[in-house]
Amino acid sequence: DTGVSQDPRHKITKRGQNVTFRCDPISEHNRLYWYRQTLGQGPEFLTYFQNEAQLEKSRLLSDRFSAERPKGSFSTLEIQRTEQGDSAMYLCASSPEQGLAKNIQYFGAGTRLSVL
Amino acid sequence: AQRVTQPEKLLSVFKGAPVELKCNYSYSGSPELFWYVQYSRQRLQLLLRHISRESIKGFTADLNKGETSFHLKKPFAQEEDSAMYYCALRAFGNEKLTFGTGTRLTIIP
Repeated sequence: DTGVSQDPRHKITKRGQNVTFRCDPISEHNRLYWYRQTLGQGPEFLTYFQNEAQLEKSRLLSDRFSAERPKGSFSTLEIQRTEQGDSAMYLCASSPEQGLAKNIQYFGAGTRLSVL
Repeated sequence: AQRVTQPEKLLSVFKGAPVELKCNYSYSGSPELFWYVQYSRQRLQLLLRHISRESIKGFTADLNKGETSFHLKKPFAQEEDSAMYYCALRAFGNEKLTFGTGTRLTIIP
């Protein structure tokens, strides 16, 4: 499967714990995005990387959230001191910077987080 | 700030009947509009984008800047069209997508 890969698929954690999710984009894509989706809503933008640079962060991304893409390949999204309101599907997407598929975002299957 | 509105959360259509999923947006600049689809137990995937001006799986969508709409249409619904459909907007010079809340389309056999 050469699509966007996310790990884990599901995560159950207790309130107050830290969690980390991983996203592996399509290999030739240098743009990577994180979104959050709650029940009954469309995906909401969290942050965006071009290569290793984090170029945009949503106001939704509180201080407890941090995302990295250290080598411009895979990315991690960490949530510290999780709260029940963090329960959601976390989606990763990638896109190429050039070519016909420019600006088309390809999504992973997501990581579903449940905070108890 | 941009906004995408999909007024129908649920839409049921008989097989063979025409389908129209509504999408309206608010954005003062020149947008790029997309329709994404999510079939049961599959990931979100692009269905079509307005700049391509093509028909995918029999679906078309025309950007109407006067009405700020990007409705998705198909003349004859098929059972395999049952899915969740999201309209999304990308503002000029911006990389993020702004999604609507989605419409669940059910095709009745």
